[in-house]
Amino acid sequence: EVQLVESGGGLVQPGGSLRLSCAASGFTVSSSWMHWVRQVPGKGLVWVSRISSDGSNTVYADSVKGRFTISRDNAKNTLYLQMNSLRGEDTAVYFCGRYYNGALDVWGEGTTVIVSS
Amino acid sequence: DIVMTQSPLSLPVTPGEPASISCRSSQSLLHSNGNNFLAWYLQKPGQSPQLLIYLGSNRASGVPDKFSGSGSGTDFTLKISRVESEDVGVYYCMQGLQTPLTFGGGTKVEIK
Repeated sequence: EVQLVESGGGLVQPGGSLRLSCAASGFTVSSSWMHWVRQVPGKGLVWVSRISSDGSNTVYADSVKGRFTISRDNAKNTLYLQMNSLRGEDTAVYFCGRYYNGALDVWGEGTTVIVSS
Repeated sequence: DIVMTQSPLSLPVTPGEPASISCRSSQSLLHSNGNNFLAWYLQKPGQSPQLLIYLGSNRASGVPDKFSGSGSGTDFTLKISRVESEDVGVYYCMQGLQTPLTFGGGTKVEIK
């Protein structure tokens, strides 16, 4: 079964850091373009970042550029999102997704990040 | 960035009746390969989005045929032939043509 499972969310103070993980099963992240999307509870979906299948190309939303880093570990078949200098507006549920045929066809269940003092 | 605009914002539906959601993009989503890079999702309460339609009109695996997608270029429609209680939630369109991926604001479907 193709599946993504996020982890690593939690409560962090403003200015702090978190690393989100997205473990894949049923397919290999190294053969897929992978994305992170976030959602403030009760609000819409907002794209955050993308990594190409070979890992050579990464792109970020302007709101997180310079603070977040997307990466992956092929041996662990896991996608990551390193989040530094966190702000209150980064509070959201973070989803990872696999890009295929022009869509995010597989999503994780999400992990919650709360940035608050 | 491509702006995605959905309507209506809210859609109360009588069980068994059809429903239709519109999605418009600020730029054409027609790829050079002839496909429209437009997807539809349903997000049920407390869950992650689930893919319903990809490339404008293709149903994802396991999606019942009461869901259908149509349109091309900048105007797209999701139709539900007969709405059931299990179809309630927020529907989103998303363009997958270019980064950043962008989503419509969502349409909340509820049962009357």
